[in-house]
Amino acid sequence: LAKTTQPISMDSYEGQEVNITCSHNNIATNDYITWYQQFPSQGPRFIIQGYKTKVTNEVASLFIPADRKSSTLSLPRVSLSDTAVYYCLVASNDYKLSFGAGTTVTVRA
Amino acid sequence: EPEVTQTPSHQVTQMGQEVILRCVPISNHLYFYWYRQILGQKVEFLVSFYNNEISEKSEIFDDQFSVERPDGSNFTLKIRSTKLEDSAMYFCASSEAGGNQPQHFGDGTRLSIL
Repeated sequence: LAKTTQPISMDSYEGQEVNITCSHNNIATNDYITWYQQFPSQGPRFIIQGYKTKVTNEVASLFIPADRKSSTLSLPRVSLSDTAVYYCLVASNDYKLSFGAGTTVTVRA
Repeated sequence: EPEVTQTPSHQVTQMGQEVILRCVPISNHLYFYWYRQILGQKVEFLVSFYNNEISEKSEIFDDQFSVERPDGSNFTLKIRSTKLEDSAMYFCASSEAGGNQPQHFGDGTRLSIL
């Protein structure tokens, strides 16, 4: 499994854009990059997944450079309700997800 | 949006007792999973299940644990003889397919062992 490294915490203010970068130097050819969000006392929630270049949905954007050794999750115009832990995972043809410690994003008013 | 539902939301059990945690995965999903999260720690994989058999299990999933899909909708995790260290949030997840497919999680059962 490719190991991922992401910041432990990030602070932001309402209305700002939050960018969380994750490094995954040992990513394999078949691996996809997936991000989950977790609020306290809730299960992780799938946000976005990508293989290369850029993926955008109604919640976030995911930027993946050509070498795929890192990725950046971008949350546009965050609100207080975006305060959560964000996990970067590298998913391959495997049945299990390996969660790290994630990035705790705190949004302040 | 369809979701994974888990019951009960909180289970308190005496050490040594058996406990069954229940999950209803999303209806058209074929792969099912259990994870746990001890308070303040990472989410840990326990087991995956497909086509009525275990696909993969972690070291945590020892002989005290078992999973079952007793009917077309439920997916259960049984802990035969609970220990204090089994206290954790237990999350069920499901996905349409295995591998890279996103997994959809329930909101968990908080298991407290006394």
